[in-house]
Amino acid sequence: NAGVMQNPRHLVRRRGQEARLRCSPMKGHSHVYWYRQLPEEGLKFMVYLQKENIIDESGMPKERFSAEFPKEGPSILRIQQVVRGDSAAYFCASSPPVRGPYNEQFFGPGTRLTVL
Amino acid sequence: AQSVAQPEDQVNVAEGNPLTVKCTYSVSGNPYLFWYVQYPNRGLQFLLKYITGDNLVKGSYGFEAEFNKSQTSFHLKKPSALVSDSALYFCAVRSESGNTPLVFGKGTRLSVIA
Repeated sequence: NAGVMQNPRHLVRRRGQEARLRCSPMKGHSHVYWYRQLPEEGLKFMVYLQKENIIDESGMPKERFSAEFPKEGPSILRIQQVVRGDSAAYFCASSPPVRGPYNEQFFGPGTRLTVL
Repeated sequence: AQSVAQPEDQVNVAEGNPLTVKCTYSVSGNPYLFWYVQYPNRGLQFLLKYITGDNLVKGSYGFEAEFNKSQTSFHLKKPSALVSDSALYFCAVRSESGNTPLVFGKGTRLSVIA
């Protein structure tokens, strides 16, 4: 069973360009979370999605950021018109659909975004 | 609102000595607590969790953590540190069972010196 997959692992963009980050959850997992890690800081929650639904986007910046998790295919985190402050490591995590106390989140290797 | 505090940015320990990485939390309702480890340029790896039951939780790689409700703490411990334990450690909390997001501490960098 492959773990959480993220691609690309490294992404370089110039200011004003768009960044698309992809996340394929573990097999059988239907819950996806996106977190952002700034240098020397912990992970900050951005958005929580289930298939075709955004459950909680309280951590997402109001502008330029969007996320989706379609019925087929990976979850996508999209950042439009990137700025230098968007440079960070973006981690995706997934968990199984069963509600209960054993739902630790499994993390992908992250995408490191650098904005020039 | 939930929060996690890791009061030490850096912990240094000699190989073979016991180690403790501190974590305190604030949450309404029952806490669900987790420890993760991050190696350089890697994602987070799950170490252990406290949901209910025994206050001493055993996890991966010989790590354990002690839940203390009165002190709202969940310190990570290992009896004998290895150089390979050197990494960034994150404590996280969730306030209810289910699939809610995790709230992370800022992390503590552990250096084990040979």
